[in-house]
Amino acid sequence: SAVISQKPSRDICQRGTSLTIQCQVDSQVTMMFWYRQQPGQSLTLIATANQGSEATYESGFVIDKFPISRPNLTFSTLTVSNMSPEDSSIYLCSARTANEQFFGPGTRLTVL
Amino acid sequence: GNSVTQMEGPVTLSEEAFLTINCTYTATGYPSLFWYVQYPGEGLQLLLKATKADDKGSNKGFEATYRKETTSFHLEKGSVQVSDSAVYFCALTSLTTDSWGKFQFGAGTQVVVTP
Repeated sequence: SAVISQKPSRDICQRGTSLTIQCQVDSQVTMMFWYRQQPGQSLTLIATANQGSEATYESGFVIDKFPISRPNLTFSTLTVSNMSPEDSSIYLCSARTANEQFFGPGTRLTVL
Repeated sequence: GNSVTQMEGPVTLSEEAFLTINCTYTATGYPSLFWYVQYPGEGLQLLLKATKADDKGSNKGFEATYRKETTSFHLEKGSVQVSDSAVYFCALTSLTTDSWGKFQFGAGTQVVVTP
């Protein structure tokens, strides 16, 4: 199994600023992902974090807004850039091993 | 593309009542199906899963059967407890190279169990 931790667990940010969320997995995983859960809604995949190369973004998400890094097999960051109140969401990191998918506890972001 | 549709909530039940949450899906190929649960203030937890048709996933008294003919994966529990109050998400993922690890989630169903 894999245990995922995220930092920060929550934050309140001002419009126009950027926040970087860290995701740490306690073991090497094959794939890592970032999801967004807007208030009262389901989870939507933002992108796949590729180790050593650029992330692969889903439709509706772009690198300039959500730059992602994955320098190794256990760590990834998601930056939410130039934030607006519409970015207020829970951001979840997810990781896949050979047989199972795991989700982090989430980062609750509020943008004022 | 893949999609998951689940019944809207909130679903309010008395303790010991029977719970059913309907989930249907649209997918190409042979997806794996999951139920995740999110307790208040907590992260997403895997509740149960099924990876092929007619498989039954079960955990903590919850069950769901993968029905390919009706493209459904309904969640059931015979006697709910107050501690089952949470949001339940139906989800799928395909095991193709492009989709491996990418989950499609339903909208979530909030369940409220009263004493």
